[in-house]
Amino acid sequence: GQQLNQSPQSMFIQEGEDVSMNCTSSSIFNTWLWYKQDPGEGPVLLIALYKAGELTSNGRLTAQFGITRKDSFLNISASIPSDVGIYFCAGLAGYRDDKIIFGKGTRLHILP
Amino acid sequence: DVKVTQSSRYLVKRTGEKVFLECVQDMDHENMFWYRQDPGLGLRLIYFSYDVKMKEKGDIPEGYSVSREKKERFSLILESASTNQTSMYLCASSFRFRVESGYTFGSGTRLTVV
Repeated sequence: GQQLNQSPQSMFIQEGEDVSMNCTSSSIFNTWLWYKQDPGEGPVLLIALYKAGELTSNGRLTAQFGITRKDSFLNISASIPSDVGIYFCAGLAGYRDDKIIFGKGTRLHILP
Repeated sequence: DVKVTQSSRYLVKRTGEKVFLECVQDMDHENMFWYRQDPGLGLRLIYFSYDVKMKEKGDIPEGYSVSREKKERFSLILESASTNQTSMYLCASSFRFRVESGYTFGSGTRLTVV
């Protein structure tokens, strides 16, 4: 079935650094979503992307829908301690009533 | 504030027990999902439902069953709990024809089977 390859699996960064992570697929997606899961909680939607080439920001977070429609990227600028958690990419290949496919997540650790 | 509520945050059960995990949503969503989350394996879909009394197997249904008697409630049942079912369980929901808006997740139930 469809799979999303999310990288890196884990990141250790210094507070204040910028972060980049990405998600790739062998097939085309029509919607890309980025979620964040705080420790001990469920994932929460951060950003939704609906058009190839689209660039969308949410505070210090910026995500892009790749022009090939087979990838997406998430950047976090000037990281702070509360950015710690797992970031999931997710994609929807069809429209409306298809199922969302999730990547395995990138676990972000921030060193003081 | 819209919500998906899972009845327990933490559960400890014995091997062989029948376990019920409950999930309720207040958003009038048609779709409901059960996932388990294990380190390094991401979110794996156990079962989902598009409507009352309707259920579909996900990627890892073995050892689990579900019940959806009302639109707002989706229950996951472990018929005979085993230690390899120790995991974080996440419930999610969405509108059936607006899936592009994403799923809303509950806070999760961390189940330990001893």
